[in-house]
Amino acid sequence: DAGVIQSPRHEVTEMGQEVTLRCKPISGHNSLFWYRQTMMRGLELLIYFNNNVPIDDSGMPEDRFSAKMPNASFSTLKIQPSEPRDSAVYFCASTLTGPKYFGPGTRLTVT
Amino acid sequence: GDSVTQMEGPVTLSEEAFLTINCTYTATGYPSLFWYVQYPGEGLQLLLKATKADDKGSNKGFEATYRKETTSFHLEKGSVQVSDSAVYFCALSPYNQGGKLIFGQGTELSVKP
Repeated sequence: DAGVIQSPRHEVTEMGQEVTLRCKPISGHNSLFWYRQTMMRGLELLIYFNNNVPIDDSGMPEDRFSAKMPNASFSTLKIQPSEPRDSAVYFCASTLTGPKYFGPGTRLTVT
Repeated sequence: GDSVTQMEGPVTLSEEAFLTINCTYTATGYPSLFWYVQYPGEGLQLLLKATKADDKGSNKGFEATYRKETTSFHLEKGSVQVSDSAVYFCALSPYNQGGKLIFGQGTELSVKP
């Protein structure tokens, strides 16, 4: 099993640009989670999907952030426009029941 | 709301020392409790879990017991190794909330030879 796949692993962009992070969950998993990790705030849940439907997006910081899950094998997290304070590591995780499996993360740097 | 509080790091130990990382939680109902470990440059991996009061989770020599009376889930290991150096996260999953995980702030462990 390939595990949860995230791309890109590293992204450096300038303030104001659009950023798209991608996640492929483990095949057969029906829930997908996006987390953000920073030194100041630790791990924060941004949004999660169940059977491709967004269930809780209360952690999405503001309207600049959006997430989609068009099918069971793919999800995106988009930031438009990006700001320096969005710099963080973004993790995707998936599960069927029981433990969540995390991807390796995308390290985003906005200059 | 539900929350998790961990002891602050970094924790520095010598190889073969005893490890305790404290974790307490606040939650309504009956959450499940977890410890995750994050090695440098990697994502989080589930270390162990407990789903009800008095359950003991264990894996790779690590243990934690779900104590409802003290709302705690402290992580312990009798003899740490250099390879245990990582950041450890305590987390809870609220009852009946679709698998949502709430994490503590993480505790960095450094084990010296």
